[in-house]
Amino acid sequence: DQQVKQNSPSLSVQEGRISILNCDYTNSMFDYFLWYKKYPAEGPTFLISISSIKDKNEDGRFTVFLNKSAKHLSLHIVPSQPGDSAVYFCAATTMYSGGGADGLTFGKGTHLIIQP
Amino acid sequence: DSGVTQTPKHLITATGQRVTLRCSPRSGDLSVYWYQQSLDQGLQFLIQYYNGEERAKGNILERFSAQQFPDLHSELNLSSLELGDSALYFCASSPRPDFGPEAFFGQGTRLTVV
Repeated sequence: DQQVKQNSPSLSVQEGRISILNCDYTNSMFDYFLWYKKYPAEGPTFLISISSIKDKNEDGRFTVFLNKSAKHLSLHIVPSQPGDSAVYFCAATTMYSGGGADGLTFGKGTHLIIQP
Repeated sequence: DSGVTQTPKHLITATGQRVTLRCSPRSGDLSVYWYQQSLDQGLQFLIQYYNGEERAKGNILERFSAQQFPDLHSELNLSSLELGDSALYFCASSPRPDFGPEAFFGQGTRLTVV
């Protein structure tokens, strides 16, 4: 049973426009969410994260929104650039009270293609 | 470059064999995670070590085992290999548990079982 779902296997966006990648989760125990970016033949690279005590986190062109009641998060990239073309993975985990967390549960990824 | 080093990059072996994958975490990182990425299952958490001790287990088969050594490098041992074990195996590291769950991934070891 997939606890983290990315329902769009691919997404094509024009350069300069906004890219919106979506992710849904089912496990109510998840309280920390992350986005990773992956290029071919490389490992995933951490992009941005959000704790369940927040509903938004921004880092430059990247913003993650969390809707806990809907168990949904999204990653916005504005403006989209050609170098953003990659596979984006949504991940979730449960933080321990004393620090640290479970291993990450990943979605299957969305392949973002930025068209010139 | 994440600073996490995995060797070998590629490995081809026969069914029934045993292999060892090696991971050197980023300098100063105490936690090591192993993940498996297969075509049908995506990226799946296998096991986590913190400062030499096993800290969390995910979907790791009994045929698989791992350890973290005093110098903090880690090895993932896969035995009685089956065709379905063919996958990319990633190691990731993070500084310490209270740093947060953001982990830095190596480039992976591609295992092909024939």
